[in-house]
Amino acid sequence: SYELTQPPSVSVSPGQTARVTCSGDAMPKQYAYWYQQKPGQAPVLVIYKDSERPSGIPERFSGSSSGTAATLTISGVQAEDEADYYCHSGDTSGTAVFGGGTKLTVL
Amino acid sequence: QVQLVESGGGLVEPGGSLRLSCAASGFTFSDYYMSWIRQAPGKGLQYISYISASGSTKYYADSVKGRFTISRDKAKKSLYLQMNSLRADDTAVYYCARGFCSGAICYESPTDWGQGTLVTVSS
Repeated sequence: SYELTQPPSVSVSPGQTARVTCSGDAMPKQYAYWYQQKPGQAPVLVIYKDSERPSGIPERFSGSSSGTAATLTISGVQAEDEADYYCHSGDTSGTAVFGGGTKLTVL
Repeated sequence: QVQLVESGGGLVEPGGSLRLSCAASGFTFSDYYMSWIRQAPGKGLQYISYISASGSTKYYADSVKGRFTISRDKAKKSLYLQMNSLRADDTAVYYCARGFCSGAICYESPTDWGQGTLVTVSS
């Protein structure tokens, strides 16, 4: 079965840049999507189609993809960005999966 | 605005059945893929099923294949998940989500999510 791999945790100080990676063999052929989830809340889409940002999402959130990895970058991290972040993608057979999630801690 | 409201969760014994519903509003329901995603307590997101706009394409994760059935009703603007032979490891919050469309091309990838409904499988 298809899997996406994320680091379990990332820690940064306020104002620094946080990068969360997501690796998967089908990434060169499939888009990556990124979601932010805060405790007790439903996930919120923050990046779609690798690098597009939905309306209402701050500009400090950006995405990129190269080879078998996609990256979510949060520039100038704020305390309110502390959350779990999940990537989503699929393979060419129609399988849909999420990565295991990355807990972003703002020190 | 897009609104997705799940219902039907609750406590069920192992081996039992449950039917989840998701009422959609604020968009043209028949244009979008819809999906069910679950999250066990303290765990990550698990994509369990999606259905295409027409209903002709359905996907199930291996963990629910043969036990769960996804369906949709255009007239009622509703998505359903019939869950049979429930097990303790099916305990989770179940989210309904709307897919993504870019122009005329639509994908299963979730954009908008409901608030979820809790399913607890226990004796």
